[in-house]
Amino acid sequence: GAVVSQHPSRVICKSGTSVKIECRSLDFQATTMFWYRQFPKKSLMLMATSNEGSKATYEQGVEKDKFLINHASLTLSTLTVTSAHPEDSSFYICSARGEWLAGHTDTQYFGPGTRLTVL
Amino acid sequence: GESVGLHLPTLSVQEGDNSIINCAYSNSASDYFIWYKQESGKGPQFIIDIRSNMDKRQGQRVTVLLNKTVKHLSLQIAATQPGDSAVYFCAENNAGNMLTFGGGTRLMVKP
Repeated sequence: GAVVSQHPSRVICKSGTSVKIECRSLDFQATTMFWYRQFPKKSLMLMATSNEGSKATYEQGVEKDKFLINHASLTLSTLTVTSAHPEDSSFYICSARGEWLAGHTDTQYFGPGTRLTVL
Repeated sequence: GESVGLHLPTLSVQEGDNSIINCAYSNSASDYFIWYKQESGKGPQFIIDIRSNMDKRQGQRVTVLLNKTVKHLSLQIAATQPGDSAVYFCAENNAGNMLTFGGGTRLMVKP
């Protein structure tokens, strides 16, 4: 159980375009989803937290108009990188937390990540 | 500020030996800790967790030890295998129910 998927796994786009990344919890309902960014050989940096049906909470320094997050259902959250530029190139990882998972209600389960390359 | 950190950035062990990865935390209010394994190009994979009311928890070939007195967390991997090669992150769940990650330790298993 506790499987989280992301799509696409890899995307290459031109500068100025927008890219949407999907995060799905496949076998549980995720009341809270998280979006992280990871640079090479670095730890995960939390970008934002989203709860189903409400606006995302962004970490300090993360532009909410640049990184649009939608958590429309208990199994799906999307991250849209708007007007992407080369400096947005990174590994984006989502995680999900399901309140009903007995014994692991605090545990975040991670997706496989999306490698974004902006040319 | 409060943080979670690791003593060793890289650990090299012989296949079949036991591995110990350490982590220090500074937020005494944290009540839940998780170890994740991340292979190259993949997302972090949950390994084992422990709550602050426990000192030790065992899984399959892995054991997590928590020493609240010195705010220290460790992950022990028995009979390390090549497939264990990865970066290991400890994570601390704070009062706001958010995860704070350590810097990561790369485990390299020599055949």
